Amino acid sequence: GQQVMQIPQYQHVQEGEDFTTYCNSSTTLSNIQWYKQRPGGHPVFLIQLVKSGEVKKQKRLTFQFGEAKKNSSLHITATQTTDVGTYFCAGLKAAGNKLTFGGGTRVLVKP
Amino acid sequence: EAQVTQNPRYLITVTGKKLTVTCSQNMNHEYMSWYRQDPGLGLRQIYYSMNVEVTDKGDVPEGYKVSRKEKRNFPLILESPSPNQTSLYFCASSLKRPGLAGGSYEQYFGPGTRLTVT
Repeated sequence: GQQVMQIPQYQHVQEGEDFTTYCNSSTTLSNIQWYKQRPGGHPVFLIQLVKSGEVKKQKRLTFQFGEAKKNSSLHITATQTTDVGTYFCAGLKAAGNKLTFGGGTRVLVKP
Repeated sequence: EAQVTQNPRYLITVTGKKLTVTCSQNMNHEYMSWYRQDPGLGLRQIYYSMNVEVTDKGDVPEGYKVSRKEKRNFPLILESPSPNQTSLYFCASSLKRPGLAGGSYEQYFGPGTRLTVT
């Protein structure tokens, strides 16, 4: 079945530094969504990417969808303590009805 | 306030004792889904429903049942819980099924139900 892998599983970042988390699918995706889950909370939608090579920005967050639509990345610049949490990607196969989530990248920020 | 609610939020039970976790949304969403979250495994889909009376298996349906008799409710039933079903469960809903052309049908998650089966 479809698999979605995220790396790294954990990311310790110094406040103010940049980091990137990667999402790779075993199959071509129709679209990909990203979610953020704060500690003790529930996942909250961040963004959806649909087009090959698409890049979208939300303030300090930059999301990219690969040309082959099998991978995606989330880049955060100038990390802040408010960025703490687990970031999940979720991929949808073409003509599919369900999202497959990656294992998540848990981000810890050192002040 | 638009929201997805789940009850109970915490539950400790014993092996074999049937239980139901309720999920309700007030956004008139068509698509609803149940996930379980386990450390290192992310969110795995248990069942989903594209509309009333339409349900389908996700990736880990064994040991679970669902029903969708009304649009707003999507209960998760564990007929005979076992310790390997100890997990954090999330219900989610979206206006339409993910991937439907024309929109980003984001999923709205409930607060979660932490289930322990001893």
